[in-house]
Amino acid sequence: GAGVSQSPRYKVAKRGQDVALRCDPISGHVSLFWYQQALGQGPEFLTYFQNEAQLDKSGLPSDRFFAERPEGSVSTLKIQRTQQEDSAVYLCASSWGTSGVETQYFGPGTRLLVL
Amino acid sequence: DAKTTQPNSMESNEEEPVHLPCNHSTISGTDYIHWYRQLPSQGPEYVIHGLTSNVNNRMASLAIAEDRKSSTLILHRATLRDAAVYYCILRDVGGYGGATNKLIFGTGTLLAVQP
Repeated sequence: GAGVSQSPRYKVAKRGQDVALRCDPISGHVSLFWYQQALGQGPEFLTYFQNEAQLDKSGLPSDRFFAERPEGSVSTLKIQRTQQEDSAVYLCASSWGTSGVETQYFGPGTRLLVL
Repeated sequence: DAKTTQPNSMESNEEEPVHLPCNHSTISGTDYIHWYRQLPSQGPEYVIHGLTSNVNNRMASLAIAEDRKSSTLILHRATLRDAAVYYCILRDVGGYGGATNKLIFGTGTLLAVQP
């Protein structure tokens, strides 16, 4: 079946621009996660949704980062007034349950470059 | 979440077994040991997980020390497609879902496979 998809795959933005990154999770998956991966580093947690509820946003680096999942399926990560330090790969993952043991299925990521 | 320690890099020859070690000396009784891997330019993918007993699946085997303070991911016959960064992650399922569901990645072990 279809896996997690993300769009766009690549995004180049000028410093100060707003960007929106989309994630389509696996159908029926309750949990959705966003991670940020800097070059040469492991992914770092940004935020977590259980259906449409954002239960954890402790990893969002600043108030310029905003995520939503209004209908409990597709999610959007928005970055306002992008800065060069926002350049990274943004990964989305979903899992079917909420117990903490379920496999997380990752999308291919969106590579953001801020000039 | 408890931390894990992995070697930065390892090398293997094609068709030979690979043993990837992970130390987690501060593991708690409710921590599961998970392994994910990330192929170049892709999102991480699940490999295997376990709690106390050794585990086998079609991708790999997981050997867990009796005191659970270390574990080893075993690839029985490495192929060129196994070249990736391998992450050892502890997941605490002792609490309610939500924030505890996130994956905490380290820098992992970069596995190079020589033909």
